Amino acid sequence: VIWMTQSPSLLSASTGDRVTISCRMSQGISSYLAWYQQKPGKAPELLIYAASTLQSGVPSRFSGSGSGTDFTLTISCLQSEDFATYYCQQYYSFPRTFGQGTKVEIK
Amino acid sequence: QVQLQESGPGLVKPSQTLSLTCTVSGGSISSGGYYWSWIRQHPGKGLEWIGYIYYSGSTYYNPSLKSRVTISVDTSKNQFSLKLSSVTAADTAVYYCARDGVVTDDAFDIWGQGTMVTVSS
Repeated sequence: VIWMTQSPSLLSASTGDRVTISCRMSQGISSYLAWYQQKPGKAPELLIYAASTLQSGVPSRFSGSGSGTDFTLTISCLQSEDFATYYCQQYYSFPRTFGQGTKVEIK
Repeated sequence: QVQLQESGPGLVKPSQTLSLTCTVSGGSISSGGYYWSWIRQHPGKGLEWIGYIYYSGSTYYNPSLKSRVTISVDTSKNQFSLKLSSVTAADTAVYYCARDGVVTDDAFDIWGQGTMVTVSS
């Protein structure tokens, strides 16, 4: 099983801020990593796959980077609709696993 | 546009079997290259992948649940289903079905809205 450490678990920020979320793997996964956004009471939505490829329709202020064991999700200019919980997920091996989540809240 | 919709009982008694169905609309479950997954989320917690099925019937389950899980597919109804046996309160969660998208490199590109299942007597 590949374990994922996502940090921070809680991030307080203001509209317009640049924020970064980290995801570290217990072993290398090449670029087989996705990022999801989840709002309360809703299903997660795919933001980024293959570590850095933006899903269709996702605003360009979202970006992903990294490979191997260390990955980052960056939101360049936080908007009000971005306050949510973010999860990383590896699909390099089975079972598929998710990070613990990062809640981005209004400061 | 492909959409997924979960259905099934919202309340299951301990020791019984949880049964859910995911109906695929706007596309065929038999179109190759996609895997169809079940994922759950305990209240206020993170996400746990349960397993997936291909339209041919081949499956892969999370080892942590493998002894209790069965995922099946009915291509004629464009549905796939989850059965989880011997449930306990620890199986109380929101259950999602999701598509493992070939276009998105095996990331989950489409999700159902989720259905809350409570295990209680």
